[in-house]
Amino acid sequence: DAGITQSPRYKITETGRQVTLMCHQTWSHSYMFWYRQDLGHGLRLIYYSAAADITDKGEVPDGYVVSRSKTENFPLTLESATRSQTSVYFCASSESQGIFRWEQFFGPGTRLTVL
Amino acid sequence: GIQVEQSPPDLILQEGANSTLRCNFSDSVNNLQWFHQNPWGQLINLFYIPSGTKQNGRLSATTVATERYSLLYISSSQTTDSGVYFCAVERVRSNDYKLSFGAGTTVTVRA
Repeated sequence: DAGITQSPRYKITETGRQVTLMCHQTWSHSYMFWYRQDLGHGLRLIYYSAAADITDKGEVPDGYVVSRSKTENFPLTLESATRSQTSVYFCASSESQGIFRWEQFFGPGTRLTVL
Repeated sequence: GIQVEQSPPDLILQEGANSTLRCNFSDSVNNLQWFHQNPWGQLINLFYIPSGTKQNGRLSATTVATERYSLLYISSSQTTDSGVYFCAVERVRSNDYKLSFGAGTTVTVRA
């Protein structure tokens, strides 16, 4: 399917476990992003990537690890999940031309619960 | 980061009414985007509007970058317009990237 997909859509895990959220886009967009959205709040940027093998921290990176070995994939790993990481996670992608960036397109989200 | 303030935080409309949502930001930006998050949680692009005015059906948006604000207009509102409207801004400079979302305006349209 064309577009941007996330998996799993729902995940329940326990404190201390490692969890990986997957994001895949078919547009070959250069930029990809991970956000978290907590109940009643806007979105906060966790990490972003400008291209394969280039990643950088956003506003709330602590406790998360990302990688981007291929343009189309941008997995987000919680190395040791904590209850405060219970949230809805959104992945997004956008194209760019120099510093000019086109609009972001969002995946459907992953609802993560850490018990 | 860049501070983004959206107003009002909540808006209740009768079907058919018009409304204006506002987004103020604290610094110069390269990009500004409006999103609608529907009741099922999906984020949908509305406008990519770093400056100027755009229209799409009953929705239109205006960004005045020099005065650091953007407005989203909803005309003849429908119940399907309910949800949360977010404004997001980006600033890209060499070795410095900032992206911020506002807290959103929750719109409820009543039949």
